[in-house]
Amino acid sequence: SQTIHQWPATLVQPVGSPLSLECTVEGTSNPNLYWYRQAAGRGLQLLFYSVGIGQISSEVPQNLSASRPQDRQFILSSKKLLLSDSGFYLCAWVPFSGAEAFFGQGTRLTVV
Amino acid sequence: GESVGLHLPTLSVQEGDNSIINCAYSNSASDYFIWYKQESGKGPQFIIDIRSNMDKRQGQRVTVLLNKTVKHLSLQIAATQPGDSAVYFCAENNNDYKLSFGAGTTVTVRA
Repeated sequence: SQTIHQWPATLVQPVGSPLSLECTVEGTSNPNLYWYRQAAGRGLQLLFYSVGIGQISSEVPQNLSASRPQDRQFILSSKKLLLSDSGFYLCAWVPFSGAEAFFGQGTRLTVV
Repeated sequence: GESVGLHLPTLSVQEGDNSIINCAYSNSASDYFIWYKQESGKGPQFIIDIRSNMDKRQGQRVTVLLNKTVKHLSLQIAATQPGDSAVYFCAENNNDYKLSFGAGTTVTVRA
């Protein structure tokens, strides 16, 4: 069966520090991968998605970047965090276009 | 901006009553719709889905209705239980690579 791993679960980082959140999927190949951000009490905002190794599409201009170095690995990064980067970050995978998304457990990021 | 929205941000329901959560979408090309449930501090979990060639689909205690004429989607939960308290999101996919989510409805079940 397929599983998605996302870590860490919580993170407190100072303003200006770098960020690296990792997501991996097991039990499937060539998934579509997604990073979403959720502000407190709000909906899910799509940040990045990838349909293959090295392919990244950005939905919202921001202080973040994403990379997909391997088929089942998706990384969210920042060189210098801002206070506004605080939020709940969710990684998701979709087996093919037009299918449901499966989410990781999320990372609660607090920038102080 | 988001192409999928929700009519009400919160819903309070008595335990045992039925719940109805509504969602409006704007993309008439969307052909796949999903309802997710998100408990506090966790990722969204799939509840039920429906394709645009259907207008109703039933699961265990849940029913999704799709009205393509007015671009409206609803989730009905029968005999609401305390464990149903969560945020519910509708999502749409128009067969591209992106799944768009609404803002969510917080459901609170009163004992």
